[in-house]
Amino acid sequence: EVQLVESGGGLVKPGGSLRLSCAASGFTFNYAWMRWVRQAPGKGLEWVGRIKSKTDGETTDYAAPVKGRFTISRDDSKNTLYLQMNSLKTEDTAVYYCTTGKDWGQGTLVTVSS
Amino acid sequence: QTVVTQEPSLTVSPGGTVTLTCDSSTGAVTSGHYPYWFQQKPGQAPRTLIYDTSNKHSWTPARFSGSLLAGKAALTLSGAQPEDEAEYYCWLSYSGARVFGGGTKLTVL
Repeated sequence: EVQLVESGGGLVKPGGSLRLSCAASGFTFNYAWMRWVRQAPGKGLEWVGRIKSKTDGETTDYAAPVKGRFTISRDDSKNTLYLQMNSLKTEDTAVYYCTTGKDWGQGTLVTVSS
Repeated sequence: QTVVTQEPSLTVSPGGTVTLTCDSSTGAVTSGHYPYWFQQKPGQAPRTLIYDTSNKHSWTPARFSGSLLAGKAALTLSGAQPEDEAEYYCWLSYSGARVFGGGTKLTVL
């Protein structure tokens, strides 16, 4: 059974940083292209970015609102996906989900507020 | 900026059929956009119903199907059940990036 478990969310001040993790199990993580998706309170889903597998170059792509501030990385030895978020803004407040596209985690809430 | 458009809301009768669509501001949606469809119920994480236009996840009920229809991606629900009331999102692929539609709130009434 595929499991994706996000962690690391919390309250952070504007301009601050936070690192989210997503622990994966039940599938061959090192072959998977992984994504982060977020959902602001009461709003729709927003694609944040994607990292390819190491064999496909571990290339990353980001949505325009987070490009240059967020970094996606992976540790295949730990079956874990990361999202490093810097220079956080109030509009980054959202539930952050990791997903393979086919399977989703339950999400972790990030609140950016002073 | 690429915009993906979905119907904001639709209503279907129990047992009825409804088609949700996913349109691209760049032109016709093709299989090369790798359309996905997701279902989200209040307070829950999304779950994937359809990937790569028409492929079903292991848990996708048979009454859901995906296709391309008149230049759009389409999700058809045949034989709607009360538990199908939810928000439905599509996403399309654009050179590595994905863009979500705004979602369709489906009411079964």
